[in-house]
Amino acid sequence: AQKVTQAQTEISVVEKEDVTLDCVYETRDTTYYLFWYKQPPSGELVFLIRRNSFDEQNEISGRYSWNFQKSTSSFNFTITASQVVDSAVYFCALSEAQEDGGATNKLIFGTGTLLAVQP
Amino acid sequence: GAGVSQTPSNKVTEKGKYVELRCDPISGHTALYWYRQSLGQGPEFLIYFQGTGAADDSGLPNDRFFAVRPEGSVSTLKIQRTERGDSAVYLCASSHRVNTEAFFGQGTRLTVV
Repeated sequence: AQKVTQAQTEISVVEKEDVTLDCVYETRDTTYYLFWYKQPPSGELVFLIRRNSFDEQNEISGRYSWNFQKSTSSFNFTITASQVVDSAVYFCALSEAQEDGGATNKLIFGTGTLLAVQP
Repeated sequence: GAGVSQTPSNKVTEKGKYVELRCDPISGHTALYWYRQSLGQGPEFLIYFQGTGAADDSGLPNDRFFAVRPEGSVSTLKIQRTERGDSAVYLCASSHRVNTEAFFGQGTRLTVV
């Protein structure tokens, strides 16, 4: 069965601190996709990143970076120099691949990590 | 509109009543998804449509839940004989194709009293 675990329920940091959000997943599939979404207080989920299981390269996008390690089944997310606007719930998610190996949006979400960035 | 629109934003209904939740996807998006998010939990997949047909309805919890997308655009999630346990935020998302990024609406908060 597929499962996503976000062990950190809440994290509080002071602005400009770096923070890492942990994500551990379980799947028996060899091809799968991993996602991170941000859910601000307004409620809509905002897509941040999607990676497939064959691409273990770390990715950096501005202040955001992601560390994918298949050996530990982890896909951690780091925010550098956090800002108050980063305050939100962050979800890690997993999906199986289609028969052709393509991604789907049938996602299994973790329980989320509430990040509070204090000024 | 520019994004996924869900109406109503809030719905309070009595136990046993029937409700309909509406989702207007982004224009041109062929895939549409419904998720349910209970308090303090991550979203849980319910169903997704490719065009007019339900491609995967494996997440619908029981036969009180049904969804349609008759013209391949707007979708309606229908819940019969509502129960207090149905209270949650119902999220809709759409994507241009099945394998492209999904955009979520702000959800409908359903409260069954």
